[in-house]
Amino acid sequence: DAGITQSPRHKVTETGTPVTLRCHQTENHRYMYWYRQDPGHGLRLIHYSYGVKDTDKGEVSDGYSVSRSKTEDFLLTLESATSSQTSVYFCAIRETAYNEQFFGPGTRLTVL
Amino acid sequence: DQQVKQNSPSLSVQEGRISILNCDYTNSMFDYFLWYKKYPAEGPTFLISISSIKDKNEDGRFTVFLNKSAKHLSLHIVPSQPGDSAVYFCAYLGIQGAQKLVFGQGTRLTINP
Repeated sequence: DAGITQSPRHKVTETGTPVTLRCHQTENHRYMYWYRQDPGHGLRLIHYSYGVKDTDKGEVSDGYSVSRSKTEDFLLTLESATSSQTSVYFCAIRETAYNEQFFGPGTRLTVL
Repeated sequence: DQQVKQNSPSLSVQEGRISILNCDYTNSMFDYFLWYKKYPAEGPTFLISISSIKDKNEDGRFTVFLNKSAKHLSLHIVPSQPGDSAVYFCAYLGIQGAQKLVFGQGTRLTINP
């Protein structure tokens, strides 16, 4: 198993509150990704990182920001959570020389 | 626009028979495809992949076929086992560089004893 953990695993919050999800890897891989999974949409890319302090937007980045100050940690922040951001969030990592991404266990976020 | 489509939301197959999961794509520039398997409350796990220079790739009970003229990808599982019951996603690699994956909507496979 790829050394990826996500925290928290479950969170319930209220509309308008800030939320930060953490992805931690022990593999020292350069590439890290945040996806959300919703019924009927599969997984959609929110943001990704190609190195420390190097990040870029994905398909559904509105309302989200990310930070990567260390190789092992990639943080996803919802500045002001909305009900449309209720979802399951997955982090993934990729080794530079390979195409496959490996996923963490996910965080289920509910915004009331 | 959904560039990768899995048109069957669900599929039910008897144990021991063949399971065939399908995926259609629209962009002929894709050059690498992957299949992921996902159990409830877990992250997706990589299953098998294929490059566009091939039309078939096998790994044990799993075979992926790529029909470039039809822009169609399929995953065959033979023989199907109860542990294969999961949601299966096809994906392709987007732009070069960061190797961003684009996923289909998923197909829920149920293997019946």
